[in-house]
Amino acid sequence: AQSVTQLDSQVPVFEEAPVELRCNYSSSVSVYLFWYVQYPNQGLQLLLKYLSGSTLVESINGFEAEFNKSQTSFHLRKPSVHISDTAEYFCAVSGTGGGNKLTFGTGTQLKVEL
Amino acid sequence: DAGVTQSPTHLIKTRGQQVTLRCSPKSGHDTVSWYQQALGQGPQFIFQYYEEEERQRGNFPDRFSGHQFPNYSSELNVNALLLGDSALYLCASSLGLGLTTYNEQFFGPGTRLTVL
Repeated sequence: AQSVTQLDSQVPVFEEAPVELRCNYSSSVSVYLFWYVQYPNQGLQLLLKYLSGSTLVESINGFEAEFNKSQTSFHLRKPSVHISDTAEYFCAVSGTGGGNKLTFGTGTQLKVEL
Repeated sequence: DAGVTQSPTHLIKTRGQQVTLRCSPKSGHDTVSWYQQALGQGPQFIFQYYEEEERQRGNFPDRFSGHQFPNYSSELNVNALLLGDSALYLCASSLGLGLTTYNEQFFGPGTRLTVL
């Protein structure tokens, strides 16, 4: 079984400032890791994923996350945020060979202010 | 190419009633998973359907049941509704079960169920 901890329920940040959303996971097997974004009244959109290979993964809109196996972490970072990044961000884990079942954290609300 | 669609978008029921939610997977996908997202929480896995059979199930009571049709669409049924069943119900589709490799899941917009 897997579990995900997102310690920060809300992260306020000013526009153009850097941000880090923290995610730690627990699993007895190898994992795939994901960040999803959810805008108000919408479903989930995949932001980026780690399956294998390079531990640093990037999205097309400037976010990046680094898989750290020793610290069981997959923190999400962006060097300069925009108002449009305001949304709920969910970290998720799936056990390899686990049939695509996702276990999500409780989410972090990123609020970008002018 | 239509993505994952769900109906209805909103639903209001009273305690004790039964509800059916529907999901059409993304074109070409054959596997459907359902998730429950309570207010302020992350989605929780309910179950997964492939080849018209339930393949995995999360920690949900038997009041939650489902079905997959030959065209890969799926229904989620909830009997004897409780106030705590109020949530956003998300459907996700993928190609295959992902037992040997990861198969990306695509999520629908969800059905907002309110139980009064």
